[in-house]
Amino acid sequence: DVKVTQSSRYLVKRTGEKVFLECVQDMDHENMFWYRQDPGLGLRLIYFSYDVKMKEKGDIPEGYSVSREKKERFSLILESASTNQTSMYLCASSRLDTVAKNIQYFGAGTRLSVL
Amino acid sequence: AQSVTQLGSHVSVSEGALVLLRCNYSSSVPPYLFWYVQYPNQGLQLLLKYTSAATLVKGINGFEAEFKKSETSFHLTKPSAHMSDAAEYFCAVSEGQGFQKLVFGTGTRLLVSP
Repeated sequence: DVKVTQSSRYLVKRTGEKVFLECVQDMDHENMFWYRQDPGLGLRLIYFSYDVKMKEKGDIPEGYSVSREKKERFSLILESASTNQTSMYLCASSRLDTVAKNIQYFGAGTRLSVL
Repeated sequence: AQSVTQLGSHVSVSEGALVLLRCNYSSSVPPYLFWYVQYPNQGLQLLLKYTSAATLVKGINGFEAEFKKSETSFHLTKPSAHMSDAAEYFCAVSEGQGFQKLVFGTGTRLLVSP
């Protein structure tokens, strides 16, 4: 069974803190993604990675960075958390081949509150 | 650029009634289209997908969707709503093979009353 695991379900941080959100997948997928989900805005892509040490900006990368040192792990970093980064963060992964038809598998999400 | 429009941020139905959630897409090439469901406090789960085979696609939990190229639509339906269908539903589009990103709509929350 496909599994994407996000390390925390809920996080509360202070403004200015450095925050790490971790995501691990056990399917040997090449692609990994970070989204944020806000009411009325749907899912917006922050960053994605199609290989180890490779990353590309999504639609809203400002204020975020990512790290992919191992194929199974993709980390989202908030260098200096701000209140407007309070949101639900979702990690996803997918296979890099035509058979998979771009199907993405999602983790349960991390709800981050920045105070 | 690809885009997806979901009409109606909330849809309310009675248990046993028809469910219709609307999705229109914009894509410059033949698209792949997806419906995902999100139950409270969970991640997204794939309901069904269209990948240029049959235009009527059947998914899990009795849902289906029909790809209509002339209307650029991919509406989600279920003949008879169940209380357990209450969730948020997202339509998404990608531009076929080799293009790995998905663009999501803003979501439709389905409310089911007894």
